Order: sequence, then C-alpha cells, then structure tokens
Amino acid sequence: EVVMTQSPATLSVPPGESATLSCRASQSVSINLAWYQQKPGQAPRLVIYGTSTRATGIPARFSGSGSGTEFTLTISSLQSEDFAVYFCQQYNNWPPFTFGGGTKVEI
Amino acid sequence: QVQLQESGPGLVKPSETLSLTCSVSGYSITSGYYWDWIRQPPGKGPQWIGGVYHSGGTHYNPSLRSRLTLSVDTSRNQFSLNLRSVTAADTAVYHCARRGHNGGQYFFDFWGQGTLITVSS
Repeated sequence: EVVMTQSPATLSVPPGESATLSCRASQSVSINLAWYQQKPGQAPRLVIYGTSTRATGIPARFSGSGSGTEFTLTISSLQSEDFAVYFCQQYNNWPPFTFGGGTKVEI
Repeated sequence: QVQLQESGPGLVKPSETLSLTCSVSGYSITSGYYWDWIRQPPGKGPQWIGGVYHSGGTHYNPSLRSRLTLSVDTSRNQFSLNLRSVTAADTAVYHCARRGHNGGQYFFDFWGQGTLITVSS
C-alpha cells in the first residue's frame, strides 16, 4: 500500500499571502495525484488532478506540481474561502487508493 | 450538476452489519464511472473502501474485502454498501463519491456530504 504523508499538519497564513502544501508518497505514483479541499460539514471538492490540472471551476490561484514521490499544492493570494483542510490522493498503485492525513490551512 | 446523498442508520451495534445507500441525482449511474465509498475516521485522513460499476463489477480495499459487499440498483439510480461484523474501528463519516473510469483517471470528482456512523452498544 502506498502511504501518503502530508506536511505541515497545520499552516497559518494571512489572507493575501501564499500557501505551499506538501505531499509525499512512499513509492512513485508518477503524476497520478489529486488534491481535495474540505470545509467543515461539506462534501470534499476536487481541486487538482493529474498533479497539475485544475478541476472545473477551480480558480487559477491554485496550482499543483511534482512527480514521482514529491508533490506540492500552491495557493497564491489566499482568499477567505480557501481556508480549509486539503488532502492528497494517489491513484497510480491500487487497490487501495490512498489519501494523506491532510493539511489544515488557517488564518 | 451531479449530486450524491448518503443515507444510513447513524448508530450500529458491534458485530452487526452496517448498511448504507447513496442516491445519485443529475447523472445516470448507467452512463459510466465507478461509484465509490470513502470513509473518514474522526481526526484522520480519508480511507477508500471500494467501488462498484453499473454492470456490478467491483473494486474492494483488500483490508475490508472479507467483510464488504457493494451493489448497485440502476432502476433507482442508487448504490449500496454492506459492511459486516462492525467494530468501534468502523466509526467514521462515510462518503459516497463518483470515480473516473477511463484512462486510469481514478480520482473522485463528486462527493456526498457524508453521514456519521457510530459503532457502539
């Protein structure tokens, strides 16, 4: 099973600044990596797939990069609606599909 | 817009069977995609449970395979989960979600809000 490790667990960022979230895989997952945003009491929302492709409706301030075992989600100029928990998920080596433990982005 | 809504008992006793249903609106299950279950224990990251195709084909998490049955009801545009012999470790928010099925695009593009399932006597 591929273990996904996210860091940091919590990221405190002022509105308008940038946030950089990391996700590491225990073995190569190529570029088959997705990011999700989750707010309390809401359904998770797909943000990025294929490491760097933004999902429908996701603003350009969200960008993803990486390959193999190291991945990054960058949110530039944080808006109030961006404060949430973000999870990464690999879909290269399965079953099972595996997720990271999450990074909480807070003010 | 694709919408998914979970329904279930909320509370299940240890050793009993957990049954959940996901109702899909805005998209026909028979049009494609896999239809999956994902759970999130309190304070932890999500865990993929398994998925079902409209033809009945399934993918299971090996760690849950021995206790798990997934099924689909195309006439009602719903799919279901049965998890047998539950323990406290099965306490989690259970989400249903749509997963891509072409070209290895196995990410989850639509999710339900989730339903909290507590295993307790």
